[in-house]
Amino acid sequence: QVQLQESGPGVVKPSQTLSLTCTVSGASTSSGSFYWSWIRQPAGQGLEWIGRIYSTGTTNYNPSLESRLTLSLDTSKNQFSLNLNSVTAADTAVYYCARGPMEHFDYWGRGTLVTVSS
Amino acid sequence: SYVLTQAPSVSVAPGQTARITCGGNKIGYKNVHWYQQKPGQAPILVVYDDRDRPSGIPERFSGSNSGNTATLTITSVEAGDEADYYCQLWDGHSDLSWVFGGGTKLTVL
Repeated sequence: QVQLQESGPGVVKPSQTLSLTCTVSGASTSSGSFYWSWIRQPAGQGLEWIGRIYSTGTTNYNPSLESRLTLSLDTSKNQFSLNLNSVTAADTAVYYCARGPMEHFDYWGRGTLVTVSS
Repeated sequence: SYVLTQAPSVSVAPGQTARITCGGNKIGYKNVHWYQQKPGQAPILVVYDDRDRPSGIPERFSGSNSGNTATLTITSVEAGDEADYYCQLWDGHSDLSWVFGGGTKLTVL
């Protein structure tokens, strides 16, 4: 059974860096069959794709976030991570990690709420 | 970037059929995927590649896609189907390649 679990601070101060980690079980992040993504959802709003990373370390980013975003992969820990710098209140959301083949997302984490507030 | 348009809400009585649509320019040429999200929970994939169901998803959930509209159909609707439903696709020609629709709230009357 594939499971993903997000972890990280629940509160981040404005202008600082939001850092989250997704720990994967039941699947290998070093496998070339899947991509590892981050998706977020502000309260009461829809889903926004943030970015994804492949087992080779290749990344794709949402153009609206690309200048502030870095994704990384640690296959030894079977984890992947998100760093989003210079955060503002607009970055407050539930952040999900997800796995998927090329086009969609077949397994999701439960999500973690990150609030940007001083 | 590619735009997906969904109606904000759909209401249906128990036992009836719900049809949730997702509009986009020539969407019939793309693969559309559907997610169900209940309050406080993560989305789950209910249909992928227009009409395929992941294991564990009831046959009551089906999908179709043609022209400028993709449709998620839920037959014999149950109270437990009440949720937000999102369509999503990959557009390799766009800067923003992975796009979600705005979501449709399905209310079971």
